[in-house]
Amino acid sequence: DVKVTQSSRYLVKRTGEKVFLECVQDMDHENMFWYRQDPGLGLRLIYFSYDVKMKEKGDIPEGYSVSREKKERFSLILESASTNQTSMYLCASRQGERGYGYTFGSGTRLTVV
Amino acid sequence: GENVEQHPSTLSVQEGDSAVIKCTYSDSASNYFPWYKQELGKRPQLIIDIRSNVGEKKDQRIAVTLNKTAKHFSLHITETQPEDSAVYFCAANGFYNTDKLIFGTGTRLQVFP
Repeated sequence: DVKVTQSSRYLVKRTGEKVFLECVQDMDHENMFWYRQDPGLGLRLIYFSYDVKMKEKGDIPEGYSVSREKKERFSLILESASTNQTSMYLCASRQGERGYGYTFGSGTRLTVV
Repeated sequence: GENVEQHPSTLSVQEGDSAVIKCTYSDSASNYFPWYKQELGKRPQLIIDIRSNVGEKKDQRIAVTLNKTAKHFSLHITETQPEDSAVYFCAANGFYNTDKLIFGTGTRLQVFP
């Protein structure tokens, strides 16, 4: 079974802080993704990565950046946290072949106060 | 732009009844359509998927149908049980980038005993 592990289940941060959300997968998947989940809005793609050091913007990249220095780890960075970034953040990974579903992590619920 | 619409947003059924959730996608080049189930406090899990070369796929009590001409696909759950209660998300792969999934806004299904 593929495991996608997000380092924190709950986080509370202050406005203006730099926040790091970590995601690690153990199946050598090439593709990794960061989504945020908000009620009534579904899952919206923030950033994704095809391979180490490669990244692509998703639909809502503003206020976020990512880092992928190793294949198994994909980090989401909030450069200066704001209250409108309070959300559930979900990481996912997938094999490089197209047409396969994601495996999601358990999510990080971030509250910015 | 790429878009997936999902209806209804909430659905309540009596145990044993059927439930149907419908999604419409915008780009005719999409060719992969997964469905995810998210129980309260848990990660989304892939429950069934369909590719554009077939019109229907079944797995026990769940089935998915695809109408490429109309650009819509549906999830059918028969003989619903209380453990089917969850939020269900449909998704379609992107047109400009087929590696990413575009999600619907979710359907909260409640099955009453």
